[in-house]
Amino acid sequence: NAGVTQTPKFQVLKTGQSMTLQCAQDMNHNSMYWYRQDPGMGLRLIYYSASEGTTDKGEVPNGYNVSRLNKREFSLRLESAAPSQTSVYFCASSVGPGETQYFGPGTRLLVL
Amino acid sequence: AQSVTQLDSQVPVFEEAPVELRCNYSSSVSVYLFWYVQYPNQGLQLLLKYLSGSTLVKGINGFEAEFNKSQTSFHLRKPSVHISDTAEYFCAVSPVSGGYNKLIFGAGTRLAVHP
Repeated sequence: NAGVTQTPKFQVLKTGQSMTLQCAQDMNHNSMYWYRQDPGMGLRLIYYSASEGTTDKGEVPNGYNVSRLNKREFSLRLESAAPSQTSVYFCASSVGPGETQYFGPGTRLLVL
Repeated sequence: AQSVTQLDSQVPVFEEAPVELRCNYSSSVSVYLFWYVQYPNQGLQLLLKYLSGSTLVKGINGFEAEFNKSQTSFHLRKPSVHISDTAEYFCAVSPVSGGYNKLIFGAGTRLAVHP
């Protein structure tokens, strides 16, 4: 039981390049989330998926797209990376409202 | 809308001393309350949560927190800290209604435990 896994762990991009961050959970959770963490700002929700087949915007969705591929997997795509997207990205999952969110180890992204 | 304010960005403390990390929140609706810990280069791990019932909540690693509705606070305490408690701590709230457990985080408090 690996919990929440994220790939890659580190990535360096040039401005304008695209990439997809992958997230998978093996806990049979319904809900999945993408956050970004920036110094002094805590974690901010980018997108979430309440259940398979649904996605909704969070607090900071601009510049990102998501896909809930199946119940296990939730990917985050940067179509044209910008230096402002330099951050640490965390994926999380939960059974439902009021339940614990379980976080992955994070992806550290640097956009030059 | 909800917001979370962690009143101290950094808290230095000596080993075996008590510590309190302060968290205030603002919300027009009822919320669930959480404390998460992040050890260096790791993801977040749940310390404790308040959903309902007793306002004093006990979590892992000897931490506890008290929900004060009148002061809209949820301060985290530990009576005696260890070096291994050095980490960043995040307070978070989630609206009870809404259905999707959307967490709103504070900016974090970095706890540094010194020998």
